[in-house]
Amino acid sequence: DGGITQSPKYLFRKEGQNVTLSCEQNLNHDAMYWYRQDPGQGLRLIYYSQIVNDFQKGDIAEGYSVSREKKESFPLTVTSAQKNPTAFYLCASSLTGRQPQHFGDGTRLSIL
Amino acid sequence: GDSVTQMEGPVTLSEEAFLTINCTYTATGYPSLFWYVQYPGEGLQLLLKATKADDKGSNKGFEATYRKETTSFHLEKGSVQVSDSAVYFCALSDGVNYGGSQGNLIFGKGTKLSVKP
Repeated sequence: DGGITQSPKYLFRKEGQNVTLSCEQNLNHDAMYWYRQDPGQGLRLIYYSQIVNDFQKGDIAEGYSVSREKKESFPLTVTSAQKNPTAFYLCASSLTGRQPQHFGDGTRLSIL
Repeated sequence: GDSVTQMEGPVTLSEEAFLTINCTYTATGYPSLFWYVQYPGEGLQLLLKATKADDKGSNKGFEATYRKETTSFHLEKGSVQVSDSAVYFCALSDGVNYGGSQGNLIFGKGTKLSVKP
C-alpha cells in the first residue's frame, strides 16, 4: 500500500543532542512538508520541499534542518538550538503544491 | 496574511446528534478549502475538500459548502457516532505564493469532538 512512513513513533532527546526524524513516502509525490503540532495551537509549518534538492523555510524553521536528496525521503533534524523541541511532528506529502496533503502517523519527541 | 478561524472546543455531543463546526477564513486570492480529521495518536486524514465557491465537499456523512460571500466552510453531519470522536481541522490553500511556494496549507487550531453513547 502507498503511504507515508514516519519513524520512530516515539523519540527522546537529551539536552544538547541533535536527533533526526525519518519520513519516507512511496506515493511518488513531488512535494513534502514537516509540521509541528502543540496542544491548542494546530499545525505550524517547519520546512517544505517542492522538488528534490530544494527546500524552503516555513514559519518556525529556527532550530531545525532538513535535506531532500531523494524524492521519497525528507528527514528532519531537531538541533540543540531548538530550545523547546517537545511536540508531535507530522510529515506530509502532496502530488504538487496545490493538491491535498497526505500525512504520516507522526513522531512524538520528548526531552529527557 | 491568510488565516483560518475555527470554533473552539471541546464539543461534546450525544450519539445521533447534529454536528456543526464553524470555520471562517481570510484570504486574498481564491483558496481551496479542506477539512482534515485526526484520531488520537495518529496523523491527519483528508475528510473533504472544495476548490471553488458554492462547491460542496462530502464524505462519510460529513458535508461542507464553500461560501465565498460569508468566507465560511462550516462542517456538518446529521447524526454523529461515537467513532466520529476526533480533532477536526479546517485548512486553506491559497494557490499563490505563501512562504515562496504555491499551495501550502494554512490550518485552524482544531476542534476536538467527543461523542457519548
